[in-house]
Amino acid sequence: EVQLVESGGGVVQPGGSLRLSCAASGFTFDVYAMHWVRQAPGRALEWVSLISGDGLRTYSADSVKGRFTISRDNSKNSLYLQMNSLRTEDTAFYYCAKAPGAARPPTIWGQGALVTVSS
Amino acid sequence: QTVVTQEPSFSVSPGGTVTLTCGVSSGSVSTNLHPTWYQQTPGQAPRTLIYSTNTRSSGVPDRFSGSILGNKAALTITGAQADDESDYYCVLYMGSGISVFGGGTKLTVL
Repeated sequence: EVQLVESGGGVVQPGGSLRLSCAASGFTFDVYAMHWVRQAPGRALEWVSLISGDGLRTYSADSVKGRFTISRDNSKNSLYLQMNSLRTEDTAFYYCAKAPGAARPPTIWGQGALVTVSS
Repeated sequence: QTVVTQEPSFSVSPGGTVTLTCGVSSGSVSTNLHPTWYQQTPGQAPRTLIYSTNTRSSGVPDRFSGSILGNKAALTITGAQADDESDYYCVLYMGSGISVFGGGTKLTVL
């Protein structure tokens, strides 16, 4: 069974940093592109970032470009999101999600990790 | 900046049929944009219903179907049930690794 489990969420002050992790199991991790998607309370889903299966290609939304970095460690079946210079508007549930193959929208989702940016 | 549009809300009677749509500001939605549909209930992660326009995810009942209608992607629910009352999101793949979500449709079954 495919499983994605996020960790690392929490409360951080504006301007601070946080790193989210996602542990993947049940599939050959390095074959699939992976996404981060977020959802602010009461708001719509927002695509954040994508990384290719080999980790060589990354893409990010304009709203996080230059502040957030997606990465992966295929030896550990893990996906990461390093978030720097956090703003109050970054407060959201962050979901790790698996693409069906290459860079296509996600089809398998984790349960999410809550990041709260507040002073 | 590309905007993906969905109806903000829709209602359907139990047993009825409803079609939700997903448009794009740049023109027409085609299969090349790999339209994908999700269902989300409060407090839960999204559940994938349809991917690549019309492929049902594992375990999704055939009451849910995806298509292209005119210049939009469409999600049709036939024989609506009470537990179909949820938020529905579409997403389009815009190329260069970028996906764009719509604003979601709140479906009421009454």
